[in-house]
Amino acid sequence: GGIITQTPKFLIGQEGQKLTLKCQQNFNHDTMYWYRQDSGKGLRLIYYSITENDLQKGDLSEGYDASREKKSSFSLTVTSAQKNEMAVFLCASSAGTGGPETLYFGSGTRLTVL
Amino acid sequence: AQSVTQPDARVTVSEGASLQLRCKYSYSGTPYLFWYVQYPRQGLQLLLKYYSGDPVVQGVNGFEAEFSKSNSSFHLRKASVHWSDSAVYFCVLSSNNYAQGLTFGLGTRVSVFP
Repeated sequence: GGIITQTPKFLIGQEGQKLTLKCQQNFNHDTMYWYRQDSGKGLRLIYYSITENDLQKGDLSEGYDASREKKSSFSLTVTSAQKNEMAVFLCASSAGTGGPETLYFGSGTRLTVL
Repeated sequence: AQSVTQPDARVTVSEGASLQLRCKYSYSGTPYLFWYVQYPRQGLQLLLKYYSGDPVVQGVNGFEAEFSKSNSSFHLRKASVHWSDSAVYFCVLSSNNYAQGLTFGLGTRVSVFP
């Protein structure tokens, strides 16, 4: 089996700050994803990547940048943190590059903006 | 457009009782359906999935789900719950084209009391 490791587990930032979240997977999966989870709103896709150096925008990409420099890692940057923002960011991976697939999730990074 | 509705935000059940979580989907093509579970402070984990064939699919930990095309539903069931089944359960719809993305329901929070 494999594992997805997200760092940090907790992230506290200031309004306007640029914040970076990191994700590593050892499944050797092609596709990686970043989701945002807000209470009462389910999961929303921010970015996904089907291979190294590929980036695809999801429905919630505004205000975020992403980077996939290696197959095993996928980072997400909050370009300007919003005051009182609280959310959980979940990284996931899947084996293929399309179609219905099982996603494997990390345990999340919990963001609080003061 | 595709959508997933989980009509029950919260369900409370006694240990040993049966559980049914409802999921209705809207999609004009062939649906691929999943149930994921999220335990406290963890990422989502796959319980079961339906692609085609027998409408009743078995999953992990005694869970099963039944697909109904006529009712556009994919309800999850367990005959006898344990306190460790307390979690949030998500119904997820996928098309066969990743460009359309995964659609997550808002989740049902299950609390099992002794």
